[in-house]
Amino acid sequence: NAGVTQTPKFQVLKTGQSMTLQCAQDMNHNSMYWYRQDPGMGLRLIYYSASEGTTDKGEVPNGYNVSRLNKREFSLRLESAAPSQTSVYFCASSTQLAGGREQYFGPGTRLTVT
Amino acid sequence: QQQVKQSPQSLIVQKGGISIINCAYENTAFDYFPWYQQFPGKGPALLIAIRPDVSEKKEGRFTISFNKSAKQFSLHIMDSQPGDSATYFCAASAFYSGNTPLVFGKGTRLSVIA
Repeated sequence: NAGVTQTPKFQVLKTGQSMTLQCAQDMNHNSMYWYRQDPGMGLRLIYYSASEGTTDKGEVPNGYNVSRLNKREFSLRLESAAPSQTSVYFCASSTQLAGGREQYFGPGTRLTVT
Repeated sequence: QQQVKQSPQSLIVQKGGISIINCAYENTAFDYFPWYQQFPGKGPALLIAIRPDVSEKKEGRFTISFNKSAKQFSLHIMDSQPGDSATYFCAASAFYSGNTPLVFGKGTRLSVIA
């Protein structure tokens, strides 16, 4: 089992460029999440998907869109990147949203926007 | 509004000492409190979790203490080792809620020095 995989590992964008971060899990989990991690700010939830076919905004959704492509895959899109979106992005998954289920995190994508 | 407040932001402990990280919450609906551990360059991983039907949970050198009346919980690392150097996140959620993902604290960077 690979667990949660993320691509790419590193990316540099110019302001205004777009890109999609890919995430896949092979644990048959229902729920998936996208977080960003910035120094001193902890993990902030961008979007989540409680189950296939549903997506919801988290704490910091502005400037991002998501697609739950199927049960395995959950992508995060930046339509017009801004320097404020420079961050480390983590995808995570869990069996379900509720019930205190453990979240399994991917290795992260380090994004720099110049 | 920050739902889970974590302190300190950083902590330096001598090898063999006790590391203590504190968290406080406001939402009385929260009844599941996990701690995640993150090593540099990796995604966070579940370390230990507690529900408020007990006041303490111990796993090896790691102990969660929970004070329901004060709405506080803490992580104690006994006999701290250099290998414990990592960032620790507390989190909270409502265990049976169908639509509430985990809320994370801002993290504590622990350095254990020899």
